[in-house]
Amino acid sequence: TQLLEQSPQFLSIQEGENLTVYCNSSSVFSSLQWYRQEPGEGPVLLVTVVTGGEVKKLKRLTFQFGDARKDSSLHITAAQPGDTGLYLCAGAGYGQNFVFGPGTRLSVLP
Amino acid sequence: DSGVTQTPKHLITATGQRVTLRCSPRSGDLSVYWYQQSLDQGLQFLIQYYNGEERAKGNILERFSAQQFPDLHSELNLSSLELGDSALYFCASSAGQGASDEQFFGPGTRLTVL
Repeated sequence: TQLLEQSPQFLSIQEGENLTVYCNSSSVFSSLQWYRQEPGEGPVLLVTVVTGGEVKKLKRLTFQFGDARKDSSLHITAAQPGDTGLYLCAGAGYGQNFVFGPGTRLSVLP
Repeated sequence: DSGVTQTPKHLITATGQRVTLRCSPRSGDLSVYWYQQSLDQGLQFLIQYYNGEERAKGNILERFSAQQFPDLHSELNLSSLELGDSALYFCASSAGQGASDEQFFGPGTRLTVL
């Protein structure tokens, strides 16, 4: 059974700080996705990474897929209160069902 | 607005009862996914339908069933409800059936079993 672990579970920082959250697995994933979920709403896709070593940037967010395609990271530069939310990584291994990690709950204080 | 609609938004019922959750996918999307989100289990994949056929099955209990109709809307039926079934149930849709396809999530149905 493929599992995704995320760390840290909770993160509370001040506006303007940088942060990195991690997504790890012992399984190889064909692709990984990052979602953000706000309270009372469904997750919204931020990015999909497919190639090992791939780096994608979305404004202040930088996503990296590990060379072995077993891990990924999300780095946020100069965090803003609007970045507050639950960050979920998700993916499927080859021939496996889609799974979500437990998420990192980020709180950015003004 | 993702374009995915779910009804009802809230549902309160008693143990042992049966409920039906409804989902309409985005226009043009052929895949529908159902997820359960609870505080202790996170977001759990239940089942996927593609163009009316079951495509993948996750951690779906035997008391739960789903179907996708010819107009592509989907229903999730939960029966013999237990307290532990209280959760947010999300529906998502995608254009294709692949694991890397972007999924668009609906606003969810909050089920409370008393």
